[in-house]
Amino acid sequence: QKEVEQNSGPLSVPEGAIASLNCTYSDRGSQSFFWYRQYSGKSPELIMFIYSNGDKEDGRFTAQLNKASQYVSLLIRDSQPSDSATYLCAVKEEYGNKLVFGAGTILRVKS
Amino acid sequence: EAGVVQSPRYKIIEKKQPVAFWCNPISGHNTLYWYLQNLGQGPELLIRYENEEAVDDSQLPKDRFSAERLKGVDSTLKIQPAELGDSAVYLCASSLKAGLGETQYFGPGTRLLVL
Repeated sequence: QKEVEQNSGPLSVPEGAIASLNCTYSDRGSQSFFWYRQYSGKSPELIMFIYSNGDKEDGRFTAQLNKASQYVSLLIRDSQPSDSATYLCAVKEEYGNKLVFGAGTILRVKS
Repeated sequence: EAGVVQSPRYKIIEKKQPVAFWCNPISGHNTLYWYLQNLGQGPELLIRYENEEAVDDSQLPKDRFSAERLKGVDSTLKIQPAELGDSAVYLCASSLKAGLGETQYFGPGTRLLVL
């Protein structure tokens, strides 16, 4: 079973700060990586995906991928209290199109 | 555009009883997924359909779980008999097609409590 590891948190940051969320994965052949946000009692919603080494920016969110280190991160700039949620990292396995999720990191943005 | 629809939203049953969940994917989405999510964990894939075909059911406990996707649209997931450990959220997701940047869209989920 391929593994996706995340720090469970909670990660607490003040409003306006940068939140940094990290994820490591075991399947070296994985090609695409996803970040989902899940509010308490709600279903996961996609924030962004990345499949090339380097950075991908979308508004206040930046995903970073380092395949050599098997590491993917999500940066949230100018964090807002509404960003408080659980952030799930998901990795698509090299074969079979299966998406493997980490357990998620709880983010708390304090005003 | 309507999202993924699931029903019921909540279900409370006694152990050993059967239960069924229904999912209607986003219109035009060929791929449908059923996930199980326990508290404090990420979703875990139970089964994936490409149109009517179950292409990955390796994680589905086939002794008590069954699923179908007739006509390649709606899907049902059934548990018979339910056990206490089946209490969880059952999520349905759909995507347009499998691929590198395939985006899975999740429904609101069904919260199951087995007493």
